[in-house]
Amino acid sequence: SAVISQKPSRDICQRGTSLTIQCQVDSQVTMMFWYRQQPGQSLTLIATANQGSEATYESGFVIDKFPISRPNLTFSTLTVSNMSPEDSSIYLCSVRDGQNNEQFFGPGTRLTVL
Amino acid sequence: GDSVTQMEGPVTLSEEAFLTINCTYTATGYPSLFWYVQYPGEGLQLLLKATKADDKGSNKGFEATYRKETTSFHLEKGSVQVSDSAVYFCAQGNFNKFYFGSGTKLNVKP
Repeated sequence: SAVISQKPSRDICQRGTSLTIQCQVDSQVTMMFWYRQQPGQSLTLIATANQGSEATYESGFVIDKFPISRPNLTFSTLTVSNMSPEDSSIYLCSVRDGQNNEQFFGPGTRLTVL
Repeated sequence: GDSVTQMEGPVTLSEEAFLTINCTYTATGYPSLFWYVQYPGEGLQLLLKATKADDKGSNKGFEATYRKETTSFHLEKGSVQVSDSAVYFCAQGNFNKFYFGSGTKLNVKP
């Protein structure tokens, strides 16, 4: 299984600012995903980030609001731009083991926007 | 479309009680099925999985059987502990996409 770390683990931010979340994996993976988990809710896929190509965003999410970088096979960043209190959520990085069809998650970044 | 439906929580049990969390799915193909667990303040951890019909996934005393005829993957444990208190997510997935249920919070009281 993959070991995934995220930074920061939590942050409190002011409205209108931006925060970049980092995701580091201990092995090379093709498929990386960013999810949002709002309080008491399930996971919502924001985008799929494959190395060497533009991220693919799900309905309701746009690149201007959630720009993603994927510079190599072990690292990705998600930026939450121009934040509002509605962006307060846990943001989870995830990778897929294509061989075993399993998906693994990072510990999450708990974001509070005031 | 593909989806996962699981029972709403919270589920509150006494220690050593029997646990069942229901999960059903709709799928156009033949997905693998998963249960994930999220302990307070942590990310999701894969608890168990089953890749084809009649497979039984098991881990840490939890088990679930892939029932194609009823499109279900119910999670069971014979005797829960306080340390099992967490949110449990059912999921289905293939190489294209994963779908998660809404999560069921389990509270186990001593």
